[in-house]
Amino acid sequence: EIVMTQSPATLSVSPGERATLSCRASQSVSSNLAWYQQKPGQAPRLLIYGASTRATGIPARFSGSGSGTEFTLTISSLQSEDFAVYYCQQYNNWPLITFGQGTRLEIK
Amino acid sequence: QVQLQESGPGLVKPSETLSLTCTVSGGSISSYYWSWIRQPAGKGLEWIGRIYTSGSTNYNPSLKSRVTMSVDTSKNQFSLKLSSVTAADTAVYYCARENSSGGTDYWGQGTLVTVSS
Repeated sequence: EIVMTQSPATLSVSPGERATLSCRASQSVSSNLAWYQQKPGQAPRLLIYGASTRATGIPARFSGSGSGTEFTLTISSLQSEDFAVYYCQQYNNWPLITFGQGTRLEIK
Repeated sequence: QVQLQESGPGLVKPSETLSLTCTVSGGSISSYYWSWIRQPAGKGLEWIGRIYTSGSTNYNPSLKSRVTMSVDTSKNQFSLKLSSVTAADTAVYYCARENSSGGTDYWGQGTLVTVSS
């Protein structure tokens, strides 16, 4: 099983600043990596797939990068609605899917 | 706009079988992979498994012995059965669609299933 490790567990950032979230895979997942945003009481929302492709309707301030085992989600200028929990997910190890444990992005 | 809606009992007794159905509207269920994912309160996401519209399935090895998925294309529905449940199976259960390009792009709102006597 591929283990996905996200860091930090909690990130405190001020509105308008940049946030950088990390995700590491225990073995290469190529670019088969997705990022999700989840707000309280809501289902996760797909932000990024293929490590760097924004999903439909996702603002340009969200960007993803990386390949292999190291990945980054960057939110360039935080808006109030961006404070949430973020998960990475690998889908390279077909047919299995695994998620990271999440990073909570909170207002500083 | 594709929409997914989970339905089923919110309370299941220990050792019994949890049964949920997901109804897909706004699009065809055909030619996609459909997943079940769960989330215990305050915890992360766990992939349970997926089914293709042909009926082929893949399950999380940690749950494989207890999981059965099925699909009814005539009703645009797919279903999950999880047997021999315990309190550890208490979670919000989501149904979702896997994007053919990667990731899971459409999700149901989730349904809380509590295992308790």
